[in-house]
Amino acid sequence: DAGVIQSPRHEVTEMGQEVTLRCKPISGHNSLFWYRQTMMRGLELLIYFNNNVPIDDSGMPEDRFSAKMPNASFSTLKIQPSEPRDSAVYFCASSSGLAGFTQYFGPGTRLTVL
Amino acid sequence: SQKIEQNSEALNIQEGKTATLTCNYTNYSPAYLQWYRQDPGRGPVFLLLIRENEKEKRKERLKVTFDTTLKQSLFHITASQPADSATYLCALLRQSGGSYIPTFGRGTSLIVHP
Repeated sequence: DAGVIQSPRHEVTEMGQEVTLRCKPISGHNSLFWYRQTMMRGLELLIYFNNNVPIDDSGMPEDRFSAKMPNASFSTLKIQPSEPRDSAVYFCASSSGLAGFTQYFGPGTRLTVL
Repeated sequence: SQKIEQNSEALNIQEGKTATLTCNYTNYSPAYLQWYRQDPGRGPVFLLLIRENEKEKRKERLKVTFDTTLKQSLFHITASQPADSATYLCALLRQSGGSYIPTFGRGTSLIVHP
């Protein structure tokens, strides 16, 4: 298995632009997580999907952030408009409850908003 | 408020010694506790999971303890090697409805000197 796939790996954009991050979870996993990691705040859970349905989005910072999971093999995290404080590494992770809640993380997308 | 604390200072030890990392939490009733390893530029990798009714779990050179009275988990690496140098994150899983919501600590950096 290729593991969790994220794209792009790096994104540099200017303030005010729309940013879309993409994630393909491991086949057969029914849970998907989006995280943001910064030096100041560590690894923060943004949103959690179970069977393609958002279960907990309390970590989504504000209305500028939105996430979708149209099917079991694809999810997006969108920031519109982007701001410099959104600069961080964004991770996607997937898990199968049958595996003891082990999360498998993707390589991350490093986002820089100028 | 809920808080997870890991030592922010790096732990420096000599090769062959046992490394012990600490994860303390307050205002949580986690059902599970996990430990992950994160190398620079990569996503976290799952190491061990321990349930709230378990005191200790072992896997090869790794050992985790979980004391729900002290609200603390200890993570031990015996016979440490330079290749064990990384950041180690603890994660608490709390039950919410039919799901388990993860919250990560900020991690402790371990440096094993040859």
